[in-house]
Amino acid sequence: AQSVTQLGSHVSVSEGALVLLRCNYSSSVPPYLFWYVQYPNQGLQLLLKYTSAATLVKGINGFEAEFKKSETSFHLTKPSAHMSDAAEYFCAVTYTGGFKTIFGAGTRLFVKA
Amino acid sequence: DAGITQSPRHKVTETGTPVTLRCHQTENHRYMYWYRQDPGHGLRLIHYSYGVKDTDKGEVSDGYSVSRSKTEDFLLTLESATSSQTSVYFCAISESGGKFTEAFFGQGTRLTVV
Repeated sequence: AQSVTQLGSHVSVSEGALVLLRCNYSSSVPPYLFWYVQYPNQGLQLLLKYTSAATLVKGINGFEAEFKKSETSFHLTKPSAHMSDAAEYFCAVTYTGGFKTIFGAGTRLFVKA
Repeated sequence: DAGITQSPRHKVTETGTPVTLRCHQTENHRYMYWYRQDPGHGLRLIHYSYGVKDTDKGEVSDGYSVSRSKTEDFLLTLESATSSQTSVYFCAISESGGKFTEAFFGQGTRLTVV
C-alpha cells in the first residue's frame, strides 16, 4: 500500500540549531512530494514541493528538502531554527497516475530559546 | 490566500444526528477534498471531487457522504454522527489534482459529537 512515514512525532531544537524532519515514502515509482506547515488553529500551507526539476528543493522561510530516490526519502531541513518555526509539519505524497494526496502523521517542532 | 471558506467553524452535536459541513471556494478549482485530522494520524482523506457531481471515496469514507452540485461548493454529511467522528475537518482545493500542484486548505471545522 502507498504510504508516507514521518519519523518522530515530536522534535525539539534550540533556537539557531539545525532543523531536520524526516520523511520516507513507499513506492517504486518516484511520486510527487510536498511539505506543508500548520500553525496552531490554522489550515495547512505549502512549504515546498518536489517537481523533478532538481533534487534539492528550496521553500519558504529558509526551509529546503532533498529528494533521494535510493533512500525513498524527502527530509526537510533548515540551517538555523527560529522561534517562529514552531509548528506542525506534514510530509505529503501524490503518486503517479493519481490525484489523491496522502499525508504523513505529522511532526511537531518545538524551538527552545 | 486562496478563497476557501468552511462553515461552521465549530459545532457540537449529539450522537445519532445528521451533520453537514460546507466548503465554499472562489478559485474555480476543479478538485475538492475533505480530510479529517486526528492526533497521530495526520490528515486522512474522506472523500474527494474531480468535478461537479463527480465524487469518489477516500480512505476513511464510512459514515460520510458528499455532494457537489456546483463548482464552488462541496458538502460533507455525517449521516448519523458518532463519537468517533469527533475531529477537525479540513476542506482543500487543487487546480489539477495534486500532481505538481499543491492543495490549498481551509481553516478547518472542529466537530464534537457528544
